[in-house]
Amino acid sequence: AQKITQTQPGMFVQEKEAVTLDCTYDTSDPSYGLFWYKQPSSGEMIFLIYQGSYDQQNATEGRYSLNFQKARKSANLVISASQLGDSAMYFCVKNTGKLIFGQGTTLQVKP
Amino acid sequence: DGGITQSPKYLFRKEGQNVTLSCEQNLNHDAMYWYRQDPGQGLRLIYYSQIVNDFQKGDIAEGYSVSREKKESFPLTVTSAQKNPTAFYLCASMGGGNNEKLFFGSGTQLSVL
Repeated sequence: AQKITQTQPGMFVQEKEAVTLDCTYDTSDPSYGLFWYKQPSSGEMIFLIYQGSYDQQNATEGRYSLNFQKARKSANLVISASQLGDSAMYFCVKNTGKLIFGQGTTLQVKP
Repeated sequence: DGGITQSPKYLFRKEGQNVTLSCEQNLNHDAMYWYRQDPGQGLRLIYYSQIVNDFQKGDIAEGYSVSREKKESFPLTVTSAQKNPTAFYLCASMGGGNNEKLFFGSGTQLSVL
């Protein structure tokens, strides 16, 4: 079965520093999409960023960027200038018609 | 505004009882999904539907049932066969194409009395 792996169950980062959340995936599909979502303690799921498998450039959305390395099957999320409000659980998601979620990484931003 | 509405926000189930969680979307999306989330864990796919009147089992479908009679609605029934139903349930929908983002409802917390 296709799988998304987030190897960091929990991470700490100092406020205003950058942090990278890892994501690797299995795939045999020629075309797929990769997403990152943020889930604060309230439980809502917040869309952060999207990367298509055929996109030539790495996606960026404000302080979020995606380090996409197709050959290595990795799609790491980089958050620059961390803020206290970034403390949440983060999920990497792959879309090939059936959506597959990673186990998540809990990020805590320290003041 | 377009979006997904889940209800109720909190639900309690007695032993041996079936309960139904509602999910409605007005985004005109074809695909809808139900996920289960246990505390501190990721999301596991229960059922999904890519078109009206059709749905497929996800990874943990046992003890659950769904219907997709209308495009806007994808209710999930937690049956008495589901022995450990306490969890947070999230409904989502998505438009066509791999680059469409997933829209989520606000979730339903189900607990057993």
